[in-house]
Amino acid sequence: DIQMTQSPSSLSASVGDRVTITCRASQGITNYLAWYQQKPGKVPKLLIYTASTLQSGVPSRFSGSGSGTDFTLTISSLQPEDVATYYCQKYNSAPWTFGQGTKVEIK
Amino acid sequence: EVQLLESGGGLVQPGGSLRLSCVASGFTFSSYAMNWVRQAPGKGLEWVSAISGSGGTAYYADSVKGRFTISRDNSKNTLYLLMNSLRDEDTAVFYCAKNGRSGTFYNYFDFWGQGTLVTVSS
Repeated sequence: DIQMTQSPSSLSASVGDRVTITCRASQGITNYLAWYQQKPGKVPKLLIYTASTLQSGVPSRFSGSGSGTDFTLTISSLQPEDVATYYCQKYNSAPWTFGQGTKVEIK
Repeated sequence: EVQLLESGGGLVQPGGSLRLSCVASGFTFSSYAMNWVRQAPGKGLEWVSAISGSGGTAYYADSVKGRFTISRDNSKNTLYLLMNSLRDEDTAVFYCAKNGRSGTFYNYFDFWGQGTLVTVSS
């Protein structure tokens, strides 16, 4: 099975900072990659799919890039409401594996 | 408006069984593959099982294969997860999640239910 590895596991940044989270697949998945945001105590929410397509209603400060095995989620200007854990997920084949998550906090 | 409402969670002893339900509304249920995803307390997301729109094809995570059975009743817009031989490590919030596009199995999850808590403990 393809493994999904995120880095870092956690980060602390200041409001207004640019934040980048990396997701690496153990084998190529073309662009079958989604990103989810889960705020504390809340349900996961789809942010990005096909590696770079922003889900409707998601602020434009979020962006995704990559293909093959290496992907990134970028928050261009971190806001207090972005405090959450972010997960990548592959969906090119079963199993639909998630990364272990990256917890984002405000410094 | 898409809505997914899970139920059926609760406290069960190790070795016991439980059936989860997820009632869907706001979309053509039979056109979309559906999924179960779980999250153990303080842990990350783990995909559990998926089922095609017709119900004819299902996939399972290795951790639940042979113990869990996913099914659906398209006449009732309801997704199920029958869980047998439950273990302590199955304790988690179970979410049902809808595929983002109709007619395809391999897709992202665009809507999630609120989740139902399953606690396996003696």
